[in-house]
Amino acid sequence: GESVGLHLPTLSVQEGDNSIINCAYSNSASDYFIWYKQESGKGPQFIIDIRSNMDKRQGQRVTVLLNKTVKHLSLQIAATQPGDSAVYFCAEPDTSGTYKYIFGTGTRLKVLA
Amino acid sequence: DVKVTQSSRYLVKRTGEKVFLECVQDMDHENMFWYRQDPGLGLRLIYFSYDVKMKEKGDIPEGYSVSREKKERFSLILESASTNQTSMYLCASHPGQGYEQYFGPGTRLTVT
Repeated sequence: GESVGLHLPTLSVQEGDNSIINCAYSNSASDYFIWYKQESGKGPQFIIDIRSNMDKRQGQRVTVLLNKTVKHLSLQIAATQPGDSAVYFCAEPDTSGTYKYIFGTGTRLKVLA
Repeated sequence: DVKVTQSSRYLVKRTGEKVFLECVQDMDHENMFWYRQDPGLGLRLIYFSYDVKMKEKGDIPEGYSVSREKKERFSLILESASTNQTSMYLCASHPGQGYEQYFGPGTRLTVT
């Protein structure tokens, strides 16, 4: 079946360092991918997305890389700050023809002072 | 900005009670979703709706029902709450293909 998975459940990063969060997807036909950030006790918030015709997309301090050859996504956060502490997960559209999404289980990012 | 609101942030109910969770979005989105989120399991889809009065079962619909009488409002109903329904419930709305889902703040439900 389709799945979206993450390599590391918890990532600890020193404040100021760069963070890299990874995601593997299984459906090579997916044409759109999203990264969400979820802070403790809150709903997920959209961070950045990327379409399958792109390899890289940059936002403010965040970059998403897409490697379609190995079906891998990564989220890079530059100069990680305490406010970046959260769970991050990726999502891809379900290919059943509905507007459902498949979500990864998430990686917890801990920023060390 | 899209705003998705949920009726309660925290809710404590007793086993057997009927529970209503309400979700409202203000951007005229046709698609709305209810998920539950449990540690280590990620987001699991309970029900979704792609139009008023239209609904489809998600991956874990057992023990739940939904209602969508108006476009902006999508309600999740626990007919007879059980302790295994203790969870974080998230509502989302979606404008269509190729766009992200917008989430509400969540309702943490505890069933005792």
